[in-house]
Order: sequence, then C-alpha cells, then structure tokens
Amino acid sequence: AQSVSQHNHHVILSEAASLELGCNYSYGGTVNLFWYVQYPGQHLQLLLKYFSGDPLVKGIKGFEAEFIKSKFSFNLRKPSVQWSDTAEYFCAVNGGSGNTGKLIFGQGTTLQVKP
Amino acid sequence: DTEVTQTPKHLVMGMTNKKSLKCEQHMGHRAMYWYKQKAKKPPELMFVYSYEKLSINESVPSRFSPECPNSSLLNLHLHALQPEDSALYLCASSLYLNGGEKLFFGSGTQLSVL
Repeated sequence: AQSVSQHNHHVILSEAASLELGCNYSYGGTVNLFWYVQYPGQHLQLLLKYFSGDPLVKGIKGFEAEFIKSKFSFNLRKPSVQWSDTAEYFCAVNGGSGNTGKLIFGQGTTLQVKP
Repeated sequence: DTEVTQTPKHLVMGMTNKKSLKCEQHMGHRAMYWYKQKAKKPPELMFVYSYEKLSINESVPSRFSPECPNSSLLNLHLHALQPEDSALYLCASSLYLNGGEKLFFGSGTQLSVL
C-alpha cells in the first residue's frame, strides 16, 4: 500500500530563514506528487505538483520541490520564509492510473514563522 | 469560475438528525470527491465519483450516503451520525492535466455532531 511520511511535525523558523520540509513516499510505480498548504481557517491550496519531466518543480509563493526517484523523496523548499507562510503543509501522492484523485496525504507539518 | 463551493460552511446536528452537505463546481471536471479531515490530521478519502458514477467507496459507514445528481453537483447525505464523525468535510473536483489528476478543494463544511 502507498504511504507518505513527513518527518517534521512542527517547525519553527524566524523570518528570512530557509525552509526544507521532508517528504518520503512508498510506491514502486509511477507517481504523481503534490504539496498542499492549509492556512489557518482556510481550504487546502495546491503549492506545486510533479507529474513528469524536470524533477525540480517550482510552485506558487516562491516554493519549490525536488523529486528524487532513487530516494523516494519530494522535499519542499523555500529560500526565505515569511510570517505569512505560517500554515500546515501536506505532502501527497497519487499512485499511477486507476487511482484517480485518490490522494494519500502525509501527516502534515505545522510551520510557524516568527516575525 | 475556478472554485469548488461547499455549503453550509458550518453545521451542527444531533445524532438523530438527517442533513445534507452540498458541493458545486462549474469547471467541467469529470471527477468529484469527498474527503474527511479531523483536526490536526491529513484529509482522508471517502468517496470518488467519476462521470457521475461512484467509483471508489473507502469502506465508509452507511450513515454517510453520497449522491451525484449531475456533473456539477455532489451531495453527502448524513443520518444517525456519531460524535466521532465531527470533522471538516472537504469536497474536491479534478481534471486530468499533463499526465495526472489536479485536484481543486472546496473550503469545507465544519460538522459538529452532538
């Protein structure tokens, strides 16, 4: 069965610090990978996705992620965080065809950015 | 229109009540979903509708009954719920784009069962 593991459950950073959130998945076939963000009291928003092609994916709000197939990883990065990045971040995987929209989410990482 | 609209935003119901959650999208997406999210937990898939037909039921108890009247609407009928069913219920729709499904989520209905 597919699973997604996010290593950092709660991250506290100061503004302008660099961010890297870890995500590993277990699935041997072709995968689609996603990072979603959920700001307090708001709905899930897609930050970025990887379907195929360039393993370095750029998303909204200055976020990027790198798909490393050999490590089954899809870590999220941002060079300089802002207070407004305070939110819950979810990594998700959708394993290949026949799993239309069936996203498996990681447990989430709470990011707190101190002004 | 690039939104998935869910109503109501908040719902409080007793264990003997019958209520319905509604979801609407006008993006022409072929698939619609119900996810359940408990506080501080990731969303968990409940149901998937593809071309208005139920394609996935993740062993959800029968007190939750989904319905897809047409390609733009998705309902979730609730009956005899338990307090542990209190959660945020998220609707999503998706389109197939560049080799994968891209999901769009609604804001959710925060459900409290008393």
